[in-house]
Amino acid sequence: EAQVTQNPRYLITVTGKKLTVTCSQNMNHEYMSWYRQDPGLGLRQIYYSMNVEVTDKGDVPEGYKVSRKEKRNFPLILESPSPNQTSLYFCASSLSWGPIIGDTQYFGPGTRLTVL
Amino acid sequence: AQSVSQHNHHVILSEAASLELGCNYSYGGTVNLFWYVQYPGQHLQLLLKYFSGDPLVKGIKGFEAEFIKSKFSFNLRKPSVQWSDTAEYFCAVNGDYGQNFVFGPGTRLSVLP
Repeated sequence: EAQVTQNPRYLITVTGKKLTVTCSQNMNHEYMSWYRQDPGLGLRQIYYSMNVEVTDKGDVPEGYKVSRKEKRNFPLILESPSPNQTSLYFCASSLSWGPIIGDTQYFGPGTRLTVL
Repeated sequence: AQSVSQHNHHVILSEAASLELGCNYSYGGTVNLFWYVQYPGQHLQLLLKYFSGDPLVKGIKGFEAEFIKSKFSFNLRKPSVQWSDTAEYFCAVNGDYGQNFVFGPGTRLSVLP
């Protein structure tokens, strides 16, 4: 089954304790992206990757890191989490990117993170 | 920078009523436009998208949207809503180079049975 998976689905942690949220897709997609969803703000893009070893900042990259060593995986790293990073996080992927193709993004199930 | 606004934070309708959700974006170049739906407790799913051609786009579940370039708008419509349409709806845009997606803040739709 074609899908985007994220782990963990729920996480409660404390300020300053490094954590990683994994994202994996089995569709051989080139483009992958991380979003955070907050009430009243919709989804805001954190980082995206157009292919292996190619990543770039979205609208809210502060406090986050990503890596894309393999095509299928795109982990989100919080080196020193803070309470303002409490949010619902979504990973997404699409076959490619660019206006001509207009590819659909497929979203993972979400990771609800609470930082105390 | 691109931005997306959605006119309504929360819309409440009775079943069989018609729906129109507003979406406006700010970006001067070529755009791709999307509407996503998020049912309670679920992840986002694509309803429809526009990237070229006929500005009236038909999507799944009876939804359609019209791209009006002169108004920078991409409003979502459905002639007759059902209780199962209760969800949050997000408009999104990406621009010329396609890398960066910007979502609107969302509109919560509640359909009363």
